[in-house]
Amino acid sequence: RKEVEQDPGPFNVPEGATVAFNCTYSNSASQSFFWYRQDCRKEPKLLMSVYSSGNEDGRFTAQLNRASQYISLLIRDSKLSDSATYLCVVSYTGGFKTIFGAGTRLFVKA
Amino acid sequence: EPEVTQTPSHQVTQMGQEVILRCVPISNHLYFYWYRQILGQKVEFLVSFYNNEISEKSEIFDDQFSVERPDGSNFTLKIRSTKLEDSAMYFCASSEALGGGLTRGQYFGPGTRLLVL
Repeated sequence: RKEVEQDPGPFNVPEGATVAFNCTYSNSASQSFFWYRQDCRKEPKLLMSVYSSGNEDGRFTAQLNRASQYISLLIRDSKLSDSATYLCVVSYTGGFKTIFGAGTRLFVKA
Repeated sequence: EPEVTQTPSHQVTQMGQEVILRCVPISNHLYFYWYRQILGQKVEFLVSFYNNEISEKSEIFDDQFSVERPDGSNFTLKIRSTKLEDSAMYFCASSEALGGGLTRGQYFGPGTRLLVL
């Protein structure tokens, strides 16, 4: 089983749609959880941290379920600029080791 | 806004040569990382560095790799004898500590694209 697994995608949605990404992780010792976005041939950029029961930042909501070892990201009112690859990331051993999921590609169309 | 910088942006080298990739992390960050991303593949953890020593390393980070913080600002990745399969984008990242074993998210540099011929 992969350490971090994500929906394979790609997701093709119209502007204004709501889209949800899922992620599962296998290591129960995982301590910190994040969502990043990566544009083509660019560096990953931190989107949100997910520390406990989840959090919201504008149109983005992240949820964490430690019992199920599951993380989600919800994007409301999708914009063209949201088109990117969304990466689920978990850290453990005090944040020293970080595992990236393979990413889910999102295309938002006008 | 503070950012992580990396040099060079591109590096072409011959197989068997040594390369040094350089990074300047964000100044008040204490945790430093190197990752690689082979074209079309996922981001892979190489090594983390804290308090002037390696904290964790992956299976990829073998004896051909080394890291160093030679002064108060630079963080380097050295590949001693490059192989064709080392061709990839190499990202440096840094983060703050929150305490209690938790860290804030990492901030990535723009990467160095390494091509080994």
